Amino acid sequence: NAGVTQTPKFQVLKTGQSMTLQCAQDMNHNSMYWYRQDPGMGLRLIYYSASEGTTDKGEVPNGYNVSRLNKREFSLRLESAAPSQTSVYFCASSLTGAKNIQYFGAGTRLSVL
Amino acid sequence: AQSVTQLDSQVPVFEEAPVELRCNYSSSVSVYLFWYVQYPNQGLQLLLKYLSGSTLVESINGFEAEFNKSQTSFHLRKPSVHISDTAEYFCAVSYTSGGYQKVTFGTGTKLQVIP
Repeated sequence: NAGVTQTPKFQVLKTGQSMTLQCAQDMNHNSMYWYRQDPGMGLRLIYYSASEGTTDKGEVPNGYNVSRLNKREFSLRLESAAPSQTSVYFCASSLTGAKNIQYFGAGTRLSVL
Repeated sequence: AQSVTQLDSQVPVFEEAPVELRCNYSSSVSVYLFWYVQYPNQGLQLLLKYLSGSTLVESINGFEAEFNKSQTSFHLRKPSVHISDTAEYFCAVSYTSGGYQKVTFGTGTKLQVIP
């Protein structure tokens, strides 16, 4: 089982460049999430999608956009990368409901120079 | 608002010694409690969860956590740690907001097992 797959695993950008982080899950989950992880700050929610066709802002959405392409795929776009967006990005998915476990991808390590 | 506090950012412990990783939470709504573990260069994965019933929950690899409602705590313990337990551990609360699941994570505790 692939679970949650993120691409790419590593990326280096120059300030002002754009890129899209891809995420796909094969567990038929309705909900998908994008987090960023920074040292000493835990995981912070950027955007989430409760179901296909819906997206909502999380705690730190500025500088990012998302697309829920279909039930499987949820992409995160940086339109004009800034050094403050250097981080590790995780995609997660879950069934609907607060009791459910979130399943995480392996992460994308992004450096913005 | 919901918050999770993990006061210890790093916990060094010798192999085969016991360990406790502390987690306290604050919430104005009903929450479910989780511990996730992150091994180096990997994503988070579930370690154990408390949904209801017995306040003591166990994982398959010897960890346990006890839900204490009065102290709003969900501390993680293991009586004897192994080198393979070296990882970062995240406490989290999950709740429903606006009809959707929301999860708030603590800042994490790095467990370093010393041979």
